[in-house]
Amino acid sequence: DGGITQSPKYLFRKEGQNVTLSCEQNLNHDAMYWYRQDPGQGLRLIYYSQIVNDFQKGDIAEGYSVSREKKESFPLTVTSAQKNPTAFYLCASSRQGGYTDTQYFGPGTRLTVL
Amino acid sequence: GQQLNQSPQSMFIQEGEDVSMNCTSSSIFNTWLWYKQDPGEGPVLLIALYKAGELTSNGRLTAQFGITRKDSFLNISASIPSDVGIYFCAGHHGGSQGNLIFGKGTKLSVKP
Repeated sequence: DGGITQSPKYLFRKEGQNVTLSCEQNLNHDAMYWYRQDPGQGLRLIYYSQIVNDFQKGDIAEGYSVSREKKESFPLTVTSAQKNPTAFYLCASSRQGGYTDTQYFGPGTRLTVL
Repeated sequence: GQQLNQSPQSMFIQEGEDVSMNCTSSSIFNTWLWYKQDPGEGPVLLIALYKAGELTSNGRLTAQFGITRKDSFLNISASIPSDVGIYFCAGHHGGSQGNLIFGKGTKLSVKP
């Protein structure tokens, strides 16, 4: 079964701690994305990567970091510098990064910072 | 960052009724997408539109890419309880970068 997996589903952390969210895809997609979703809001782009070892900031990159060492993996680190980290985080991938390439989403990770 | 204007914010309808929602933008998009999200899950793609004026159906769902390229609508005919969820529109300006812009969603509730 091809798809995108995110783990864990729920994550709790204490304020001031860094936390890394996992995203893996076996769709052989070149492009991967991280979005943040807050209640009653649409999705906002944090970072995206069109190819291994390259990534670009999205609209709300401050307080986050990413790496793209392997095609199938795009982990997101929520750092202590992120002022309001509690949110639902969604990872997506697409065949390439163009506007005709549909983005497919993982099931999401709900992060709660206590 | 830019967001799309999606309306209505929420809808409460009776099973069997038709539903219509739309998205507008101040700028032109080359792609319009409609996603559905169930609580606690990731969005699932319903319909993708790539051409101005395009009208596409997926079962009981129909979506159109506006002629001005600044709007899109989604219709659901004969709603059923499993249509409940949040529907998002998303647009892409074009080019090689995959930045999707999302609306804030329309929350649909269906009374049996």
